[in-house]
Amino acid sequence: IAGITQAPTSQILAAGRRMTLRCTQDMRHNAMYWYRQDLGLGLRLIHYSNTAGTTGKGEVPDGYSVSRANTDDFPLTLASAVPSQTSVYFCASSDSPSREQFFGPGTRLTVL
Amino acid sequence: GESVGLHLPTLSVQEGDNSIINCAYSNSASDYFIWYKQESGKGPQFIIDIRSNMDKRQGQRVTVLLNKTVKHLSLQIAATQPGDSAVYFCAENILNDYKLSFGAGTTVTVRA
Repeated sequence: IAGITQAPTSQILAAGRRMTLRCTQDMRHNAMYWYRQDLGLGLRLIHYSNTAGTTGKGEVPDGYSVSRANTDDFPLTLASAVPSQTSVYFCASSDSPSREQFFGPGTRLTVL
Repeated sequence: GESVGLHLPTLSVQEGDNSIINCAYSNSASDYFIWYKQESGKGPQFIIDIRSNMDKRQGQRVTVLLNKTVKHLSLQIAATQPGDSAVYFCAENILNDYKLSFGAGTTVTVRA
């Protein structure tokens, strides 16, 4: 693994189903982030984690939850998916504040 | 006086010409700024960054200019190439805060 990996690459999901998007980084970065990207709205922060064991809410956290049990993994869970959660989801990491964030390749999620 | 560039959602550039992409940031407390490039179907990729104690920084074929007085950031790409076609995002950050705030993005199309 080099950098950040995300799984799955894409997923079609029925409304009401539970879904976990996976994110793993091998750079030993302290901080990790989840964004959603919608056409015309740019990247919006869902949740973040400054260090293992801590998480925080971003700009659009409702309907999503995260956990950070270790440094490398930062899964994003949709407990009961709704069509408005159709989006492209990006995971990112950084090693310190005021430094660039490195992004994964994204997960394209469609909720029907 | 100095003119402030208008943020445009799209920019069409002739191959070989220079490109200028503008961004107005919102928070006067922001002190770290990044430009990202996002190609179709991929995650954002770091291009160049600048801290608030500078007003200009150069990379390979790219220059970032920062005007803190009017809260304006620009990215200049020299001798634009077809591979520069992408969406470009600016992002701002406040000292010691891990989170980035992203702009809406500018889609650059390079004409052959």
